[in-house]
Amino acid sequence: QKEVEQNSGPLSVPEGAIASLNCTYSDRGSQSFFWYRQYSGKSPELIMFIYSNGDKEDGRFTAQLNKASQYVSLLIRDSQPSDSATYLCAVTAANDYKLSFGAGTTVTVRA
Amino acid sequence: KAGVTQTPRYLIKTRGQQVTLSCSPISGHRSVSWYQQTPGQGLQFLFEYFSETQRNKGNFPGRFSGRQFSNSRSEMNVSTLELGDSALYLCASSRTDKETQYFGPGTRLLVL
Repeated sequence: QKEVEQNSGPLSVPEGAIASLNCTYSDRGSQSFFWYRQYSGKSPELIMFIYSNGDKEDGRFTAQLNKASQYVSLLIRDSQPSDSATYLCAVTAANDYKLSFGAGTTVTVRA
Repeated sequence: KAGVTQTPRYLIKTRGQQVTLSCSPISGHRSVSWYQQTPGQGLQFLFEYFSETQRNKGNFPGRFSGRQFSNSRSEMNVSTLELGDSALYLCASSRTDKETQYFGPGTRLLVL
C-alpha cells in the first residue's frame, strides 16, 4: 500500500464549478498535510497546509482534514482555467518530517 | 525575499559520468531537502539536511549523496550516472526541519 494515495485523474470541470480532490494516507501518526500545485514543466507551489481536523479556507481553496479517517481533501471553488494543473497531496511522516507525496491529480478547467 | 534557487537549470550527461547540483535556500532557512521527480515514480524524497547534518535519507543507492554548507547552501552529487537517473531534481527549503517546505525551480537532468 502506498503511503499517500490520491484519486485518479484526470479531473475535468467546467469553469466556475467546484473541483474536489481527495487524498488518503497510511501513517496514522502523520502530523502535517500539504497541497501543492504543479504546472507542467514547473516546480511544485504550495497552496495550503493543514494540521488540525476540520476545514481551512484560503480564498477559493478549502482544505479538509479528518485524521480518524486518514483523509484530506482540497476543494477549489469557482474554478478558473488558470487552476488547470496537477495537484499534489503531501504528508509529513510521524517521526522524521520528510514529505511523502501522492502521485498527483491532474485538473483541467474547461472554459 | 528571494526564493529557492537551483543551478544549473538543465543538464545533459552521459552514462557513467557524475553530476553536482546546487541549491541556495530562502534566506533564513536552515533545512534543505532534495527530491527526485520522474513520470513513473512521482516525487520521491532523497535526503534532508539541517545545520550541515543529514537528518533523513530516502531509499536511494549510495551513488546519491549530498552535503550542506555553513551558509545553508546545499549540493547533491550523483556518481556513475545511469539512464534511469534522468529526472527533475527539486530542492526545497524550510526554516526548520518541521516547517513548510518551499520548492526551487528544479534542475532537469538528462542522462544519455
